[in-house]
Order: sequence, then C-alpha cells, then structure tokens
Amino acid sequence: DTGVSQDPRHKITKRGQNVTFRCDPISEHNRLYWYRQTLGQGPEFLTYFQNEAQLEKSRLLSDRFSAERPKGSFSTLEIQRTEQGDSAMYLCASSLPGLVTGELFFGEGSRLTVL
Amino acid sequence: AQKVTQAQTEISVVEKEDVTLDCVYETRDTTYYLFWYKQPPSGELVFLIRRNSFDEQNEISGRYSWNFQKSTSSFNFTITASQVVDSAVYFCALSGLTGGGNKLTFGTGTQLKVEL
Repeated sequence: DTGVSQDPRHKITKRGQNVTFRCDPISEHNRLYWYRQTLGQGPEFLTYFQNEAQLEKSRLLSDRFSAERPKGSFSTLEIQRTEQGDSAMYLCASSLPGLVTGELFFGEGSRLTVL
Repeated sequence: AQKVTQAQTEISVVEKEDVTLDCVYETRDTTYYLFWYKQPPSGELVFLIRRNSFDEQNEISGRYSWNFQKSTSSFNFTITASQVVDSAVYFCALSGLTGGGNKLTFGTGTQLKVEL
C-alpha cells in the first residue's frame, strides 16, 4: 500500500491524558498536512510542513498541540492534557512539491475519543 | 477570510438520476482554487476536481461535470446517471496561495445517498 497511512486508527483516552498520532505520507511527497474533522463538519486545517519545516499553524492549534516532522518523512501530532473538545478525526494528507495542485492525498484518519 | 457554504446537507436520489451539489464560496483573493472532494464511508477523502479562478470554462469528465460561475461565486458539481457507489459525503473546498496553495477551507459537506 503506497498511500498515506495513519496510526492508530482509533484512540480512546481519558481526559487529561496525552495522545500521539503518526502519519506516514506518500514517499515522494514533501508536503504534509494535518486537518481535524468533527462530526458533521468539513475538515479544518491545523498545520502543514514542507520537508521538516513547519511553515504554518492554524489558530485552532492551541499550545497543547504540537506537530513534528523530524526528518521530513513521517510526522507526529501530539495532544497534551486532552479535553473532551479534542474528540475528532485527525486527518493527515500529503502532496507533491511545486505548483499549487490542491490534490491532497488523505489518509483514513485517526479518530480520537476523549472520555 | 475564506468561507465555503454547502446549503444541502443531505440529498437522496434513485440510481440513474442526475444530481447537482451546490457550493457557494467567499474569498478576497483574486487568485484562488476550488475543489470537490469525496468522502466515502471508509473516511478517506478523495480528490475529484480542481478549478482555478482564471478558468471559468465548464467541463465534463466522465459522469462528473461542474459549473463555475464567478459572478455568483458558485461552483456546482453534477453527477450524471448516479450509481450506488456514488453514495458518500461530498465536500467543496477553496484555497488561496497560502499553505503552499493546499491550505483548504472546506464546506460542511453534502451527504449523497443513491438508492436502487
């Protein structure tokens, strides 16, 4: 499978715990994006990387959220001290470098449930 | 700020009917891009089509066609001869040139149900 993969697919945690999600993009894609999707809503942009550099962060990304892409390959999204409002599907996407295409390749997402 | 509105929350059709999904957008950018994505029950968003703000020519691709009208800020999407496999949530999205051009603003989606 050469698509975008995310792990875990589903995480249930108690409020206050930390969680980490991993995303492995398509290998030749240097751009990686994190989006969040809540029930009945469209995905919302959180952050994006070009290679290992985090170039943009949404105001939705509070101080409890941190994303990394240490070697320009896989990425992790960590949420500290989770709150019930963090319950959502966290989507990772990657894209080719160069001109704007808008063609993002999404993974199947990591669903977070905070009890 | 950018905004995408999909007023239709759910549409049900019978197989082989044509169906049009509406999308209205707001942006202050002079250069922007519009997209349609499909999200089947598996959850993985799939890119369908892209249009840039300089090209209002409408096109047909297989059973898909789209109608981009800058004057009304609309970017409607039509599926001809719908099939059960078309059942999914369809999202309209908009981007400017930030985020590498791939920082998308999505609408709330339209759930399409195609029944036999």
